[in-house]
Amino acid sequence: AQSVTQLGSHVSVSEGALVLLRCNYSSSVPPYLFWYVQYPNQGLQLLLKYTTGATLVKGINGFEAEFKKSETSFHLTKPSAHMSDAAEYFCAVRPTMIGNEKLTFGTGTRLTIIP
Amino acid sequence: NAGVTQTPKFRVLKTGQSMTLLCAQDMNHEYMYWYRQDPGMGLRLIHYSVGEGTTAKGEVPDGYNVSRLKKQNFLLGLESAAPSQTSVYFCASSPGQTTDTQYFGPGTRLTVL
Repeated sequence: AQSVTQLGSHVSVSEGALVLLRCNYSSSVPPYLFWYVQYPNQGLQLLLKYTTGATLVKGINGFEAEFKKSETSFHLTKPSAHMSDAAEYFCAVRPTMIGNEKLTFGTGTRLTIIP
Repeated sequence: NAGVTQTPKFRVLKTGQSMTLLCAQDMNHEYMYWYRQDPGMGLRLIHYSVGEGTTAKGEVPDGYNVSRLKKQNFLLGLESAAPSQTSVYFCASSPGQTTDTQYFGPGTRLTVL
């Protein structure tokens, strides 16, 4: 069975500061990895995903994440926070085997931006 | 192109009442999913479907039933609502490959009194 751990249910950063949201997974085989963002009273939308190839993945709104197999991590970063980044962020994993369609989500990290 | 839509947006039920949540997608996606979102627990998969006429259980299926009679629609039913089913429900769809993005609807906020 696979699982996802997001360290820190709440993270606050100043506007213009670095954003770092942590995600670690537990799986016998490295899975596909996703970050989703949820703005208040909205559904989730994909920020970025890692499936194969380059381990540094760039997404929308200036976010990027790096897959580190040795650390079983997929941390999300953004060099300079903007007020519009305030939202809840979810890391998710999905097995690579065909026939297993289920995403497993972490418990989420709420990001607050301090003016 | 509306994407994934959910009906209704809000609903209040009394314990024991029944209701059906409707999810519709206009992207011709094969796969559809129902999740519930509770504070501090992330999203948990209730049921999913890999094609018209098929359904399968997810992580938390008890107390819910689903149907996928048409490819574009995925219905979630509560036969006898309980307060523990108070939650925000999200529907999602995807084309069908394991690397595919899931596209989410705006959610339905359900309160069971």
